Amino acid sequence: AQSVTQPDIHITVSEGASLELRCNYSYGATPYLFWYVQSPGQGLQLLLKYFSGDTLVQGIKGFEAEFKRSQSSFNLRKPSVHWSDAAEYFCAVAPGTGGSYIPTFGRGTSLIVHP
Amino acid sequence: DARVTQTPRHKVTEMGQEVTMRCQPILGHNTVFWYRQTMMQGLELLAYFRNRAPLDDSGMPKDRFSAEMPDATLATLKIQPSEPRDSAVYFCASGLDIIPNEQFFGPGTRLTVL
Repeated sequence: AQSVTQPDIHITVSEGASLELRCNYSYGATPYLFWYVQSPGQGLQLLLKYFSGDTLVQGIKGFEAEFKRSQSSFNLRKPSVHWSDAAEYFCAVAPGTGGSYIPTFGRGTSLIVHP
Repeated sequence: DARVTQTPRHKVTEMGQEVTMRCQPILGHNTVFWYRQTMMQGLELLAYFRNRAPLDDSGMPKDRFSAEMPDATLATLKIQPSEPRDSAVYFCASGLDIIPNEQFFGPGTRLTVL
């Protein structure tokens, strides 16, 4: 079974600073990887996804993520954070072959943005 | 634009009462997921439907929870009887059963059981 670890419960950055949120997964083969964002009182919204091909994927709102097979990681990055980026971020992994493709979500990282 | 809708958005009830939450998946989507989100447990999968058939409800307490899809436009999650520990935000998500499985989430139902 797959698993996801988001090591950081909270991350605090200043507006305009760069951001990296960490995600490590455990799965025997190449998985499907996702990053979702949840604003307060809202459901989760897909930021970006990786299925195959180029390991650097671009998403909405200026986010990108890089798949590193050797490190079993899929870290989310943004070069300059805006105050509106304050939210909860979830990494998810789904089996890449066979199975029901049901994703497993990490516990989330709460992003706090200081002015 | 197409969205998953959930009703009610908020529900406060007393212990022992029946609670029904409804979800309208995006038209054309053939998979539906029910999740529960709490501070302690994070996001937990309760049930998963494909083409209206329940495929996985292993995360759901069977004695009090039930999930159904009466038709392709409606999914329901019922709790009977409700307990204070059921207090959480319940999310519905829908998607297409194609590789890969991207999910579209509704806004959630915030349930408080007193």
